[in-house]
Amino acid sequence: AQTVTQSQPEMSVQEAETVTLSCTYDTSESDYYLFWYKQPPSRQMILVIRQEAYKQQNATENRFSVNFQKAAKSFSLKISDSQLGDAAMYFCAYCRHYQLIWGAGTKLIIKP
Amino acid sequence: EADIYQTPRYLVIGTGKKITLECSQTMGHDKMYWYQQDPGMELHLIHYSYGVNSTEKGDLSSESTVSRIRTEHFPLTLESARPSHTSQYLCASSRLNTEAFFGQGTRLTVV
Repeated sequence: AQTVTQSQPEMSVQEAETVTLSCTYDTSESDYYLFWYKQPPSRQMILVIRQEAYKQQNATENRFSVNFQKAAKSFSLKISDSQLGDAAMYFCAYCRHYQLIWGAGTKLIIKP
Repeated sequence: EADIYQTPRYLVIGTGKKITLECSQTMGHDKMYWYQQDPGMELHLIHYSYGVNSTEKGDLSSESTVSRIRTEHFPLTLESARPSHTSQYLCASSRLNTEAFFGQGTRLTVV
């Protein structure tokens, strides 16, 4: 069965610095999708970035980028130039067909 | 912005009452989900649906029930609310092999 592991329950970073959130997953499939979601306190869960497993190029969305290592089954999220508005729970998710598997989340704290 | 709506946003209700949490999406998505989440904690899948007349139980045992009579509508019902049901309930929808879109959630408090 597929699993998703986020080994960092909580991370903190100084404003304007860079932070990396870790995610590993386990699957025997070769074709799947990976996502990072952001859930600010008391606000809606929103998609930050997505990665198709068949693409070797790492996805990037403005200050957010991923380091996708397919062989190692690793999918980390890098946030550059951290801002106060980045403070949130971050969830990593694996998707294949209609199956969605979630990590337990990482709470990101931004220090002003 | 995703077109998925949950009502009510907040609900405080007495023990033993029957409640229905509403979820609607206008994106024509086949799959819909209900998750239970305590603040700052992981998501627990309680129900999902592949389409009209399809409903399945998720990983977390729940005393709630769901129905899917229309593609866009996926309500969740608790026949008799208890304090242990106090939590946040998130509805989401997706197409095949795409990301899920989430509603704003319903914060339920049972007193």
